[in-house]
Amino acid sequence: IQMTQSPSSLSASVGDRVTITCRASQSINNYLNWYQQKPGRAPKLLISGASSLQTGVPSRFSGSGSGTDFTLTISSLQPEDFATYYCQQSFTTLMYTFGQGTRLEI
Amino acid sequence: EVQLLESGGGLEQPGGSLRLSCAASGLIFSSYAMSWVRQAPGKGLEWVSGISGDGDNTYYADSVKGRFSISRDNFRNTVYLQMNRLTAEDSAVYYCARESGYRFDHWGQGTPVSVSS
Repeated sequence: IQMTQSPSSLSASVGDRVTITCRASQSINNYLNWYQQKPGRAPKLLISGASSLQTGVPSRFSGSGSGTDFTLTISSLQPEDFATYYCQQSFTTLMYTFGQGTRLEI
Repeated sequence: EVQLLESGGGLEQPGGSLRLSCAASGLIFSSYAMSWVRQAPGKGLEWVSGISGDGDNTYYADSVKGRFSISRDNFRNTVYLQMNRLTAEDSAVYYCARESGYRFDHWGQGTPVSVSS
């Protein structure tokens, strides 16, 4: 299953509302996760099951979608949100492929 | 607290082999599938290989199938990635990750692999 994110990069300002899109090459129901990665660090799980926010993740992050089309929304960007975001499908047993990433820049 | 600690990375020549290890603590290790994910310099995340909790089922990305082998020792709480016939395209930071509920909820800090003559 191929995962395609858009855009590949995005410039935004503190306080902006930002949406990142992820499309699967076939239906994955809601088996879609979002990760945040900062330079030199391991990825951090933000959202699983397309819309379930992980414990400790700020509520300005939200996810939606099902089937093939998904979105990650950050309602009001904070300085610490500037990072790279990846979607991941978990529909195929233990072969959890990633999108190519979206770099969010100031 | 769940901790994953990778080791075994380093510099290897093309055609050579390396074995990565990921030591886990703070969890009932055999209850969880584990995966390896890599990230080439300046590139995105690439899922490489996964193994079920009992070790009976293994999965590989096409890019490494036939060259890499994943295994685990549930007594030592460790998962391994044996990498053979290495090429420059295998140069990356390799992360191990715990799979729980169809997501990777814990990650190690990564171990770098560089393949160069």
